[in-house]
Amino acid sequence: NAGVTQTPKFRVLKTGQSMTLLCAQDMNHEYMYWYRQDPGMGLRLIHYSVGEGTTAKGEVPDGYNVSRLKKQNFLLGLESAAPSQTSVYFCASKPGQGGRQETQYFGPGTRLLVL
Amino acid sequence: GQNIDQPTEMTATEGAIVQINCTYQTSGFNGLFWYQQHAGEAPTFLSYNVLDGLEEKGRFSSFLSRSKGYSYLLLKELQMKDSASYLCAVRDRQAGNMLTFGGGTRLMVKP
Repeated sequence: NAGVTQTPKFRVLKTGQSMTLLCAQDMNHEYMYWYRQDPGMGLRLIHYSVGEGTTAKGEVPDGYNVSRLKKQNFLLGLESAAPSQTSVYFCASKPGQGGRQETQYFGPGTRLLVL
Repeated sequence: GQNIDQPTEMTATEGAIVQINCTYQTSGFNGLFWYQQHAGEAPTFLSYNVLDGLEEKGRFSSFLSRSKGYSYLLLKELQMKDSASYLCAVRDRQAGNMLTFGGGTRLMVKP
């Protein structure tokens, strides 16, 4: 199993440009998450999905959109990038709810720089 | 809301023992996780506590006291490869069972 993969690994955008970050998992997990990580602030939840075709807002959703058309994929979109969105983006997934199923597995991250 | 506090940085010597503390305030506590994150890499799962007490896994142990809103991660026989950030995360029923992460503790192990 590849686990959780993310593409691209690194991207530079100009202010106002758009892009989509792709997350894929091959573990048949129901739940998927998008986080951003900034120095000294820990991981903050952007959006999440509890199953195929569902999405919900997290702690910092503004400026981002997501889609979960297939169970294994979770896309994060930036319609009009801003310098404040410069960050490292992590995707994560977990099997289900309760006990050890709550353990989240993380992808390798996407480093985004918005100029 | 939630408030999770952990030290920003710690330094320890190879072969020693180090304890990384995490305190939290939450209205619907439903589990605490510790993750390890090496620089430039993804967080990886270390431990999970939902009941009071100590969970031991090899060189790593994690302790939880729900009444005190307190957890610690204990690393024994430190190795250079243990140099990493350690993230404390709390699951809260009142927050839809989402995980809230602390800022992480950067541990540097010196020879």
